[in-house]
Amino acid sequence: SQQGEEDPQALSIQEGENATMNCSYKTSINNLQWYRQNSGRGLVHLILIRSNEREKHSGRLRVTLDTSKKSSSLLITASRAADTASYFCATDDTGANSKLTFGKGITLSVRP
Amino acid sequence: SQTIHQWPATLVQPVGSPLSLECTVEGTSNPNLYWYRQAAGRGLQLLFYSVGIGQISSEVPQNLSASRPQDRQFILSSKKLLLSDSGFYLCAWSLPGLAAYEQYFGPGTRLTVT
Repeated sequence: SQQGEEDPQALSIQEGENATMNCSYKTSINNLQWYRQNSGRGLVHLILIRSNEREKHSGRLRVTLDTSKKSSSLLITASRAADTASYFCATDDTGANSKLTFGKGITLSVRP
Repeated sequence: SQTIHQWPATLVQPVGSPLSLECTVEGTSNPNLYWYRQAAGRGLQLLFYSVGIGQISSEVPQNLSASRPQDRQFILSSKKLLLSDSGFYLCAWSLPGLAAYEQYFGPGTRLTVT
């Protein structure tokens, strides 16, 4: 079964705008990760945020985690056409033993 | 640096035929290894994972099996493919241990069962 549920399912924005994607989950987690997938390719790890962290930055990426609401958001600032991809959140459930559970993903289209 | 290879990149197989997909990792020792399947426009479904040679955990009952004959080799097999086996198969590795570290994915194999 899927743990992470991302929303929206699809997002279309203009280059230069910010893109915000959300992920909700159901059980207690050790960490939450975000991945990116270009069409027809493997996933690429973007960022990991631990359950005791509230915010993390990496370049133009900003991730927040609210364990009380069991939700996370991924913000991409100043988007570029090259950011067009699918984005997935993945959770490491406590007791899951080296496994991640992925959501269904968000399709982001950035119009040049 | 570590690299992960998958082959073949694409495969078209008739129903009832056997399957063998291979994944190898270079530049790391005793990695955790994972097989996922991704249906069109869907998320990833974990099929198998392995924390060591000969140690395979199955997540979903199906007609697929996995083996890890060497430390950095992970093989996904089937004796008789079904139409429902079509999809995009991804192999991934992570650092060893029971914690869920970042996973690093191969380029994937697109399987079409006809």
